[in-house]
Amino acid sequence: NAGVTQTPKFQVLKTGQSMTLQCAQDMNHNSMYWYRQDPGMGLRLIYYSASEGTTDKGEVPNGYNVSRLNKREFSLRLESAAPSQTSVYFCASLDPRGYEQYFGPGTRLTVT
Amino acid sequence: GEDVEQSLFLSVREGDSSVINCTYTDSSSTYLYWYKQEPGAGLQLLTYIFSNMDMKQDQRLTVLLNKKDKHLSLRIADTQTGDSAIYFCAESEGAGSYQLTFGKGTKLSVIP
Repeated sequence: NAGVTQTPKFQVLKTGQSMTLQCAQDMNHNSMYWYRQDPGMGLRLIYYSASEGTTDKGEVPNGYNVSRLNKREFSLRLESAAPSQTSVYFCASLDPRGYEQYFGPGTRLTVT
Repeated sequence: GEDVEQSLFLSVREGDSSVINCTYTDSSSTYLYWYKQEPGAGLQLLTYIFSNMDMKQDQRLTVLLNKKDKHLSLRIADTQTGDSAIYFCAESEGAGSYQLTFGKGTKLSVIP
């Protein structure tokens, strides 16, 4: 089991560019999440998907869109990147018992 | 809304005990968690406790919950340099709840 994988690991964008962050899990989990982590701010939920075919906004959804492509994959899209979106992005999935979220290694995004 | 508070830094000497504290505001919190983040990595679940428990022990880790004061603590006995990391407190309303609320994280530094 690879667990939760994220690509890319690092990315530098110019303001206004777009990109998609990819996430996949091989644990057959239903629920998946996207968080951003900023210094001194902890983790903030951007979007989540309780099951295949559903997505919901979290605490900080503005400037992002998501797609739950299938049960395995949950992608995060920045349509027009802004410097305020410079952050580390984590994807996670929830085990079926509902106790533990498994995190990917993160994508470090810099927007100049 | 829910809020989870932690102190940002803690420094201890190798071999001493570390105590990381957390307070939360949501009285309906059912599950409380401690996650560990090592440098450059995602979060990993250390332990969790149900709100109907006062204490949970797992090897060097002891979790204490004071539900009346909404206070959670994590004690690490015989702290080692490998324990240096950021520790996040988190809460959820239950196994059926899809969302976690994280604190900002406590950076533990272990002095050799």
